[in-house]
Amino acid sequence: GAVVSQHPSWVICKSGTSVKIECRSLDFQATTMFWYRQFPKQSLMLMATSNEGSKATYEQGVEKDKFLINHASLTLSTLTVTSAHPEDSSFYICSASPGHSKETQYFGPGTRLLVL
Amino acid sequence: EDKVVQSPLSLVVHEGDTVTLNCSYEVTNFRSLLWYKQEKKAPTFLFMLTSSGIEKKSGRLSSILDKKELFSILNITATQTGDSAVYLCIGSNYKLTFGKGTLLTVNP
Repeated sequence: GAVVSQHPSWVICKSGTSVKIECRSLDFQATTMFWYRQFPKQSLMLMATSNEGSKATYEQGVEKDKFLINHASLTLSTLTVTSAHPEDSSFYICSASPGHSKETQYFGPGTRLLVL
Repeated sequence: EDKVVQSPLSLVVHEGDTVTLNCSYEVTNFRSLLWYKQEKKAPTFLFMLTSSGIEKKSGRLSSILDKKELFSILNITATQTGDSAVYLCIGSNYKLTFGKGTLLTVNP
């Protein structure tokens, strides 16, 4: 149980294009979903927290207009990287929490984004 | 500012060795400490510790929390090459504070 999927696993795109990453909780309802970013040899950095049906809460330094997050249902959240640039290349990981406790998070497999 | 410090940053051992990974934390209104294993993809959950002095065990892995000393250790006995991974320690007060991880390499 508690499986989280992400799609796509890998994406390569041209600079200036937008990329959408989906995060789905497959066998539970996720009240809260989290989006992380991980650079090589570094730990995960929380980008934003999204609650179903409300606006995402972004961490300091994360541009909300660049990283659009939508949490339209209890099983789906999307992260759209708008007008991607090479410095946006990274490993993006989502996690989902089945309840109101943020401590129990189930991570997706991650999406590796490469912007050329 | 909350912080979680893991040591060592990197460790190389031979199969069969026992390893201890360390994690110290300073987290305001601390609730729990979490250990995750990260291989090439996203982290997988190992343990959540909330009470001091109670060892949690899962196979060859065990972990314990000391809330007085603000410290946790993760032990792995009889290591196998499949244990090679980054082990993340995370402090939680509902918001997660990540350590930088310990890279464990187990050589055959």
